[in-house]
Amino acid sequence: QKEVEQDPGPLSVPEGAIVSLNCTYSNSAFQYFMWYRQYSRKGPELLMYTYSSGNKEDGRFTAQVDKSSKYISLFIRDSQPSDSATYLCAMISYNDYKLSFGAGTTVTVRA
Amino acid sequence: EADIYQTPRYLVIGTGKKITLECSQTMGHDKMYWYQQDPGMELHLIHYSYGVNSTEKGDLSSESTVSRIRTEHFPLTLESARPSHTSQYLCASSGQMNTEAFFGQGTRLTVV
Repeated sequence: QKEVEQDPGPLSVPEGAIVSLNCTYSNSAFQYFMWYRQYSRKGPELLMYTYSSGNKEDGRFTAQVDKSSKYISLFIRDSQPSDSATYLCAMISYNDYKLSFGAGTTVTVRA
Repeated sequence: EADIYQTPRYLVIGTGKKITLECSQTMGHDKMYWYQQDPGMELHLIHYSYGVNSTEKGDLSSESTVSRIRTEHFPLTLESARPSHTSQYLCASSGQMNTEAFFGQGTRLTVV
């Protein structure tokens, strides 16, 4: 079983909709959580980073972490066609420093 | 903007050649990572380092090797390239307090 499982998608939503992306994890040593956006043939770009349970907002993006349930989410409000990309969740373990990724969810926002 | 650089961006090379992919960061990050990613597929961790003179194998078995002689530099070497090594290789780094990780633009390797 993988340490990080991400909802596979793909997701297709109309412009203006809320996009909801989810990951679960099994390793309690994961302490730091990130969301990346990756466009085709490019390196992943960091969107959000958090280390505590709760919500963190940045513009149209909200990252949510629930450590008790080992569950993280990313919400994109008022989605735009430019948000069309693959979104990856990532986590760093505090004991071996490994940076582990989910498999990614491809999102298409239709104009 | 993250200061992590990979060279070359694109490389086409013949089977059996030795190649080194370069990764450098100017952020003073202690942790560095190499990932392999085929088009449309997930990232696979192949090597990582948590400081100078430390290297660890990742989750995906790889015929490549790495070294970490200087904090800012984490090169990846393939002693004898094969067509099965054709892929995109991505380097990342993360700071001392396990802060967020930043990626380079990647090296797209084709072995013919």
